[in-house]
Amino acid sequence: AAGVIQSPRHLIKEKRETATLKCYPIPRHDTVYWYQQGPGQDPQFLISFYEKMQSDKGSIPDRFSAQQFSDYHSELNMSSLELGDSALYFCASSSMGSRGIRPQHFGDGTRLSIL
Amino acid sequence: GESVGLHLPTLSVQEGDNSIINCAYSNSASDYFIWYKQESGKGPQFIIDIRSNMDKRQGQRVTVLLNKTVKHLSLQIAATQPGDSAVYFCAENWTSGTYKYIFGTGTRLKVLA
Repeated sequence: AAGVIQSPRHLIKEKRETATLKCYPIPRHDTVYWYQQGPGQDPQFLISFYEKMQSDKGSIPDRFSAQQFSDYHSELNMSSLELGDSALYFCASSSMGSRGIRPQHFGDGTRLSIL
Repeated sequence: GESVGLHLPTLSVQEGDNSIINCAYSNSASDYFIWYKQESGKGPQFIIDIRSNMDKRQGQRVTVLLNKTVKHLSLQIAATQPGDSAVYFCAENWTSGTYKYIFGTGTRLKVLA
């Protein structure tokens, strides 16, 4: 079965640079979520989109923005990168199931390293 | 604030034994829970879920128990195998109020041969 696709898998940037991470959800999933995971930490929710509209906002810095496009893929834009932004960034997607719930399914993440 | 936490950061079990991983949540409005398994370098993998109208749900070698009275969740893995070695997270969701999930601190499961 198709899974969530994230690109790139690895990204190296320098401080103050910008980065764009991409996420392609599972086909027919209408919701996309972004998470940040530091070493040895649990995933921290950043932001989510439902039907291309922002649905929830978590601990996303003002330097970051995201959007969901008409084809349901999403991009996380990160500017003025800081050393502390080095982390794994995960995208997940979901759709409403028959039980009235929307289980999230994750991609394998983008590892962002800031030098 | 809302939080989901785990009691034990590391759990070591003998291959073939049963494993029990625990999780406490604090948001009484949460009504949907997922257990995830995360292997090194990979994204969290969905294992099993449970809604708050149930107290037990079984999958293949896994069982999730939910005790709403004490806001406690557990994941039981039967006949633990080396391939079960990973970090396990529980995540909670309030299906009526939000799309986001709150993750707890993971538990690392080590399976000893």
